[in-house]
Amino acid sequence: DAGITQSPRYKITETGRQVTLMCHQTWSHSYMFWYRQDLGHGLRLIYYSAAADITDKGEVPDGYVVSRSKTENFPLTLESATRSQTSVYFCATTPGQRFSGANVLTFGAGSRLTVL
Amino acid sequence: LAKTTQPISMDSYEGQEVNITCSHNNIATNDYITWYQQFPSQGPRFIIQGYKTKVTNEVASLFIPADRKSSTLSLPRVSLSDTAVYYCLVGDINAGKSTFGDGTTLTVKP
Repeated sequence: DAGITQSPRYKITETGRQVTLMCHQTWSHSYMFWYRQDLGHGLRLIYYSAAADITDKGEVPDGYVVSRSKTENFPLTLESATRSQTSVYFCATTPGQRFSGANVLTFGAGSRLTVL
Repeated sequence: LAKTTQPISMDSYEGQEVNITCSHNNIATNDYITWYQQFPSQGPRFIIQGYKTKVTNEVASLFIPADRKSSTLSLPRVSLSDTAVYYCLVGDINAGKSTFGDGTTLTVKP
């Protein structure tokens, strides 16, 4: 199916464990993003990627690692999960190019992560 | 980061027109203004985008004054299904220079 998919949709883990959230898109869009959304708040950018092997930090990158070996995949890893990383994580993509103020985000369905 | 300011919440009744205003004083020359809608347990989805004056699509209208320091999303004749959080976004997303605020929670009552 075309689109953007995230997995797992729900994950419960324990403090200190490593967790990887997956994001896959079928459009071959250049740009991909990871956001987190805490209860009752807006989305905050964690990391983004302009292309395979190119990633940049967003507003709240600490505690997260990303990679992008293939255009269609953009995994987000929490190397040692903490309770403060309990959140809903959204992956998104845009088809546009840099320096365009008209890019529009398309989001995945989200991954709800609980760290005990 | 291009920051925006919106009312935290708004209430309306079915059939009414709803206007949500967003302030973006530091908008750059190349920035467009984009609005998103988010339902519970879903990712935000695109509603409308504009650069100046007025834009209308099948869902909403967007009004942007000449100085572009604010914008107003207009939802005509809202229904219960329009209950959601609405975000306005400015800035170059692909440069990481755009940020979501806390949005406006619109509650439509019967």
